[in-house]
Amino acid sequence: GNSVTQMEGPVTLSEEAFLTINCTYTATGYPSLFWYVQYPGEGLQLLLKATKADDKGSNKGFEATYRKETTSFHLEKGSVQVSDSAVYFCALSKYQAGTALIFGKGTTLSVSS
Amino acid sequence: DSGVTQTPKHLITATGQRVTLRCSPRSGDLSVYWYQQSLDQGLQFLIQYYNGEERAKGNILERFSAQQFPDLHSELNLSSLELGDSALYFCASSASGTSGTDEQFFGPGTRLTVL
Repeated sequence: GNSVTQMEGPVTLSEEAFLTINCTYTATGYPSLFWYVQYPGEGLQLLLKATKADDKGSNKGFEATYRKETTSFHLEKGSVQVSDSAVYFCALSKYQAGTALIFGKGTTLSVSS
Repeated sequence: DSGVTQTPKHLITATGQRVTLRCSPRSGDLSVYWYQQSLDQGLQFLIQYYNGEERAKGNILERFSAQQFPDLHSELNLSSLELGDSALYFCASSASGTSGTDEQFFGPGTRLTVL
């Protein structure tokens, strides 16, 4: 079945450090891929998405490229800020009978100044 | 603010009881999704409704049921509650629910504690 695997956290970085959070997926066909972010005490917000192979999603300095050959969608940011501290979820959606999101376990990012 | 509202914000109840969680989707969105977030299971899809009809089911227990009303708000009913049902329950909505590329907008969640 469809699944998403994310790197285990927590990830602890200093401000302005480079961030990579690994995400790989298992799915037949061509799913859409998403990164959602959850700030403390809040619901999830879409950070970026990519809907086909080689697409690059980007938002707020974060980027991720849909790599079909490696079934990956790694999240990167060149210079993190304290305000980026949150839980990051990789997810996929593959329309069959519905369009529900299948989430990874989430990666907690903590950025210190 | 995503535009999705959920009530109540917190719910504390006892084992064996029944509760109803309510969700109002963003204006114009036809699909509503329910997700459960717990420490051991992570974020799991429960059920999707599209324009009043059930569209897809995920890992939803038989003790749980949902419906979407003509005004498109949705309710998730949880009965015969067990300690393990304690979790954060999110509602999300999307414009159509017939495209895997649609963004889902999440509500702030209802935190259920079963004692």
